[in-house]
Order: sequence, then structure tokens, then C-alpha cells
Amino acid sequence: DIQMTQSPSSLSASVGDRVTITCRASQGINNYLAWYQQKPGKVPKLLIYAASSLQSGVPSRFSGSGSGTDFTLTISSLQPEDVATYYCQKYHGAPRTFGQGTKLEIK
Amino acid sequence: EVQLVESGGGLVKPGGSLRLSCAASGFTFSSYAMDWVRQAPGKGLEWVSFITSSSTYKFYADSVKGRFTISRDDANNLLFLQMNSLRAEDTAVYYCVRARLSGYGDSWGQGTLVTVSS
Repeated sequence: DIQMTQSPSSLSASVGDRVTITCRASQGINNYLAWYQQKPGKVPKLLIYAASSLQSGVPSRFSGSGSGTDFTLTISSLQPEDVATYYCQKYHGAPRTFGQGTKLEIK
Repeated sequence: EVQLVESGGGLVKPGGSLRLSCAASGFTFSSYAMDWVRQAPGKGLEWVSFITSSSTYKFYADSVKGRFTISRDDANNLLFLQMNSLRAEDTAVYYCVRARLSGYGDSWGQGTLVTVSS
């Protein structure tokens, strides 16, 4: 089975910072990768699909890149409302594995 | 507006069974694949099961294979998860998720809590 590994597991950054979260697949998954945001006590929300396509309604400060095995989620200018845990997921074929999550806090 | 409403969670003893339901509305349910995803208290997301439209294919995580069964009733816009031989480690919030196109989940229900404890 393909494993999904996120790094870092947690990070703290200041408002306005550029933040990057990495997701690595143990085998190539083309661009079948999604990113989700889960705010504390809330339901997960889709941010990015097909590695780099922004879901409708998601602020443009969020972007995704990568293909094959290495992917990144970037927040260009961190806002207080971005405090959340972020998950990647490979979604083509089974199992449809999630990364372990990256908890983002404001410094 | 897409709505997914899970029900059927609760407290069950180890070895027991539960049947979760997800009522879908606001879209053509029969045209979409669906997932169940769970989240244990304080833990990350874990994919559980996936069913294609028309129930052609069904997939399961190794952790639930042979114990859980996913199904759907397209006439009534319902998704189900039959959970048997429940274990303490199955304790989690279970989410119903609509899967778009090649399979990413674009809409999530609010979840239903399953607690397995004696």
C-alpha cells in the first residue's frame, strides 16, 4: 500500500508568513492528491484537488503543487483564521490514505 | 445545497454491531461515489470505505475488512455502513463524504460518534 507522509507534524508561524507543508507518497500517484483543512472542532474542508486545483470558495492565498511523489501546500500570507490541522490524501485507487496531519498554529 | 446527515452512532459493547446511515440531499446521489472516513478522539483522519456509483466497486481499509460493509440505496438517497465485531479501536467520529470525479471528497457530513466500550 502507498503511504503518505506529511512534514512537519506541527509548526508555528507569524501572521503574514509564507507557510509550506509537504506531503510525500511512497510511490508515484500522478496528481491524485487532495489537501483538507480541519479547524478545531469542525468538519474537514476540501482546499485543493488534483494537487494544484483550488476548490471553489477557497482563498487564493492557498496553493498546491507537485506531482508523482512530492507535493506541497503553501499559504502565501498566513492569517489568524488559518489555524487548523491540514491533511493530504491520495484518492485514486484504494486504500485512499491520508497523511498524519500538520497542526498549524500562530506564533 | 449539498447536505449529508449521518445517524446511527452510539455506545456499543465490544463485539457488538451498529449500522450507520447517511442521508444525502441537494445533489443527484446516484451519480456520485461515496466514502466513509473516521477520526478517533484527538487523532487524524482515517479512510474507512469507498463505494462507486451503482455500487459497482467497494473498497475497505485493512483495519475494517471483513467486519464492515458499505452499501447504498440510490432510490432513497442513503449510504450505509454496517459495522460488526466492533472493537475499542473503532471508537471514532464517522463522516460520510461525497466523492467527486476521480475520487476526491468535496462535501462532508457533520459526523456521528461511535463509542465501543464495555
